[in-house]
Amino acid sequence: KNEVEQSPQNLTAQEGEFITINCSYSVGISALHWLQQHPGGGIVSLFMLSSGKKKHGRLIATINIQEKHSSLHITASHPRDSAVYICAVRWGSNQFYFGTGTSLTVIP
Amino acid sequence: DGGITQSPKYLFRKEGQNVTLSCEQNLNHDAMYWYRQDPGQGLRLIYYSQIVNDFQKGDIAEGYSVSREKKESFPLTVTSAQKNPTAFYLCASSIDIDQPQHFGDGTRLSIL
Repeated sequence: KNEVEQSPQNLTAQEGEFITINCSYSVGISALHWLQQHPGGGIVSLFMLSSGKKKHGRLIATINIQEKHSSLHITASHPRDSAVYICAVRWGSNQFYFGTGTSLTVIP
Repeated sequence: DGGITQSPKYLFRKEGQNVTLSCEQNLNHDAMYWYRQDPGQGLRLIYYSQIVNDFQKGDIAEGYSVSREKKESFPLTVTSAQKNPTAFYLCASSIDIDQPQHFGDGTRLSIL
């Protein structure tokens, strides 16, 4: 059983499209992270959320604590957004659970 | 420039050998982490350290060891007891355990 489930697993979009990636989790969490992993393997932290909504440039992350669900939105998608997006949750003091990622390809 | 550096990028190990992966950060972060990533699976936590001279086991600590003698360094040793060590290893750091993590570029370990 995976504590963190992401959907979709794979996503292909045309440049300019609005993209949504979903994350559901099964435990009560301290914080939720959205990460971006590029083809070379390097990972960048995009957001850390414990409630509400955060926005950075074309990226928006929301979380609903009651429904145990978070979404990552990308507006006006661009080919450079192509990457794997990973949802991760921290539970308690030392439990970290990661989703398997959503592989996004944005076509020019 | 501040950052987190992992070395080497690629590492090969013969069966039965221990091998140490390096992770250094100059971000003045207290917390550091080691993760393992396998194809088709999410990252899994091996060990983490919240402060110098202290570290805790993660979900898959068996066959691994760490030390945290200096704030900026958190080396991971993959011992011969780790039966399936081939994987991509990522190190991360954060100001503290409640803050976003900064990741290194990873080390890809393969068994010869």
